[in-house]
Amino acid sequence: DTEVTQTPKHLVMGMTNKKSLKCEQHMGHRAMYWYKQKAKKPPELMFVYSYEKLSINESVPSRFSPECPNSSLLNLHLHALQPEDSALYLCASSQIRAGITGNYGYTFGSGTRLTVV
Amino acid sequence: AQTVTQSQPEMSVQEAETVTLSCTYDTSESNYYLFWYKQPPSRQMILVIRQEAYKQQNATENRFSVNFQKAAKSFSLKISDSQLGDTAMYFCAFMKPYTGNQFYFGTGTSLTVIP
Repeated sequence: DTEVTQTPKHLVMGMTNKKSLKCEQHMGHRAMYWYKQKAKKPPELMFVYSYEKLSINESVPSRFSPECPNSSLLNLHLHALQPEDSALYLCASSQIRAGITGNYGYTFGSGTRLTVV
Repeated sequence: AQTVTQSQPEMSVQEAETVTLSCTYDTSESNYYLFWYKQPPSRQMILVIRQEAYKQQNATENRFSVNFQKAAKSFSLKISDSQLGDTAMYFCAFMKPYTGNQFYFGTGTSLTVIP
C-alpha cells in the first residue's frame, strides 16, 4: 500500500457544526502532516506529528484540533469554522530515517475540499 | 528564512515538445533537499523528482530531469516529450534536514500541454 487515503473528499459544513477529517496510511511512515491549500496557491503547513506526537503547530487557530490516535491514522477536528477556512485540506506522510524526516519526499493524499457556509 | 521562487506563473507547451520550468531558492545551508511536485486537477500532490544538494549529478526520472546549479541556487525541471497528462500545477520545494520536516514551497507554475 503506497497511498495516503483521506475522507471525506468533499465536506460542506455550517459555522456552528463540528466535523472531522480523516487521514490514513499503511506505509509505516512515522511522520504525518496537515496542510491547508487555497486555490492556485502552494500548500501551507498546519501541523506535524512525529511518532504520534505533535511536533509542530504553525500557530493554527484552536478551531482546528489535530489528533493522531496511532501511527497510521491522523484526524483533524473542526469546530466553529469561518467561511475563510474554506480550502483544500491535504494530509501527507513521510519516513523518518536516521533522524532525518521527509528527505525522500512526502506522500500526499487527494485532499478534502471543505466549504464553510 | 528560506525562500523559493518560481517566476513563471503559467506556461504552455505543445504535445511531444520539451518545456523547462524554473525554480530558484535562497538559503545559507550547504546540505538540503529539493523536490518538484505535480498537482493535476485531481488535486493529489505527486512527487516528480528529488535532488540531494550534496550530489552534483542531476536527477532524472524517465521524461523528467533537473538542472541543478548549486552555486546559482537554481533547480529547473525539464519535461521531455510532453504528454496531455502532464497538464498540472508544478511546485518546487526546498527542505532542510533536522528542521522539523518543513517544506518550503514555491508559488507554483501552471503548465498546460496543448494537443
